[in-house]
Parts: sequence; structure tokens; C-alpha cells
Amino acid sequence: GAVVSQHPSWVICKSGTSVKIECRSLDFQATTMFWYRQFPKQSLMLMATSNEGSKATYEQGVEKDKFLINHASLTLSTLTVTSAHPEDSSFYICSASEGRETEAFFGQGTRLTVV
Amino acid sequence: GQNIDQPTEMTATEGAIVQINCTYQTSGFNGLFWYQQHAGEAPTFLSYNVLDGLEEKGRFSSFLSRSKGYSYLLLKELQMKDSASYLCAVLAGDYKLSFGAGTTVTVRA
Repeated sequence: GAVVSQHPSWVICKSGTSVKIECRSLDFQATTMFWYRQFPKQSLMLMATSNEGSKATYEQGVEKDKFLINHASLTLSTLTVTSAHPEDSSFYICSASEGRETEAFFGQGTRLTVV
Repeated sequence: GQNIDQPTEMTATEGAIVQINCTYQTSGFNGLFWYQQHAGEAPTFLSYNVLDGLEEKGRFSSFLSRSKGYSYLLLKELQMKDSASYLCAVLAGDYKLSFGAGTTVTVRA
């Protein structure tokens, strides 16, 4: 299957700082990228959908000003958690697909801990 | 939103068979996925069903009935390494993938 690389795998940051997570499709062009958040022992919750060159579509209850998503190219999307707080500590996972009807491939995930 | 239900946990013996059921209610339907997820790792793809029927892939099989909003994942010849969380996910009419809460399968010797 296709490869999606997510970086960093884990990060610890101080409360109030910002953290950027990168999601890259290594061997295909990702028209659409999805960002999920997963709290311990819970399911993956879709945060937002991003299409290359356009603004991200956020799910209800997700603050767009806090979780900044940029999908500037067909191989890279970034999620920036601004002014992070301990309650933002979670596992963030991206997935990417070539098109709407194609399989989405997941990155390795990023474990964010805000102290 | 989407409504996807699956059991919270199941336990089985090594070598046995386990069936994980998933029921769903969605706005539009473009397919159902099963993923395996080990603790602290991202999900890995197991199967995709868009038409009714059974898809067999080695020890794992997945079934879909669109009219009943029902799917199951069948794990045969269970191995210890199969202990993981299994996620049912539905691709809705808007092509967003929504996940069930996951079923934690524990395989015992």
C-alpha cells in the first residue's frame, strides 16, 4: 500500500506553546487529507478534512482557530495546535487519499503531551 | 452524524474463531472498512466492502449487508498477535470516514 509519513511521532510541549504536526504522502499525490484525534480507549474522531489548495472543513465542535490546517501541496498537510493546553494531549493521526473513492492510508500518528 | 456500533471487547482462545459485528446508520454509503489498531499505533487496513457479500483474505473475512446496515469481521485460527482493537469505519455519502469505538480482542493461550 501507499506510504503516509507523519512527523513527529511524539512531542511534549509546555502549556501555551504551539505545536506543528506534518503529514506527507510519500509515493502518491494526496488530493484529500484527514486529521483525527484519539483519546485513550476511544475511537478516532474526525477533526477536519483538507483538500489541496483550499480551506479545511472542520467538524462540529472543533475550533478552527486553535487547530490550524494547511494543505499547501499534494503531498503535505500540516496541523498546528496553537496555544496548547493539557486537555489537548491526545493521539493525532492523519490519513491521505488520492481521491474520494480511493482508500485512505494512515500516518503513524503523533502522541502530543502538553505539560 | 453517523452511528456505528460494535462490541467493546471480546476474548477468545488461540486457534479459535471470533466474529466482530458492526451495525451502522449513515447518510449515504460508499463502503465499510475494517482496521486493526495496536495500542499506541495508527490503524492498519484489513478490508473494504462496498457490495453485499463476503470478502475473504487469508485468516480474515469481512461480510456486508447494506440493506441491514450490518457487517462483521471474522478472524480465524486466532494467534496471540491478533490481540488488538478492531475498528469498523463507514465511508458516508460525503466521503468522510467515521469510526466505531473499536472492539478490543484479547487472545488467550
